[in-house]
Amino acid sequence: SQQGEEDPQALSIQEGENATMNCSYKTSINNLQWYRQNSGRGLVHLILIRSNEREKHSGRLRVTLDTSKKSSSLLITASRAADTASYFCATDSPYTYDKVIFGPGTSLSVIP
Amino acid sequence: DAGVIQSPRHEVTEMGQEVTLRCKPISGHNSLFWYRQTMMRGLELLIYFNNNVPIDDSGMPEDRFSAKMPNASFSTLKIQPSEPRDSAVYFCASSCLGQINCSYNEQFFGPGTRLTVL
Repeated sequence: SQQGEEDPQALSIQEGENATMNCSYKTSINNLQWYRQNSGRGLVHLILIRSNEREKHSGRLRVTLDTSKKSSSLLITASRAADTASYFCATDSPYTYDKVIFGPGTSLSVIP
Repeated sequence: DAGVIQSPRHEVTEMGQEVTLRCKPISGHNSLFWYRQTMMRGLELLIYFNNNVPIDDSGMPEDRFSAKMPNASFSTLKIQPSEPRDSAVYFCASSCLGQINCSYNEQFFGPGTRLTVL
């Protein structure tokens, strides 16, 4: 069964606005990662948050993690057209340390 | 480092033909993953290797699919015979977890192989 589920499936915003994407998961994790995929490309790692962390920042990215609710959010501030991509959360498996499971992704469109 | 290298980038073949996809992981990485991505099913893990040994192949859809990793710098995913429903983008990814100076399981993806089976 799928570990991570992103919400919403698709999001369209104007350039300069903030974009928030959510991820819910089902079982205990060691860490949660967010990846970006530009059209026609492979996934690129954005940020990782460990299970003992609640918030993490990287540039215009802010990730939160609520292990009690088994959920995470990715906030992109001051969005740009170049942020248009699909965003995936990935959680590690409770059974193996190197395997991660990707959610279905959120498709973000930033309109110039 | 050149990153994860996949070949070919595009493959068009006819139903029934054998297809071989190739992957060169990042040097020093000890885990290698094969994924398949389609609009309908999203990103699916097919199989992954650790230190050249297959660890989990539960995602391999059928016996028509097979994967090998003869050494630390090369892996293949073979489909024989291919079918139209195998059309997808196949990604290879590698990670370094367990290696010195590698503290978490970030995966590095190749550019993918777009497979079309007619």
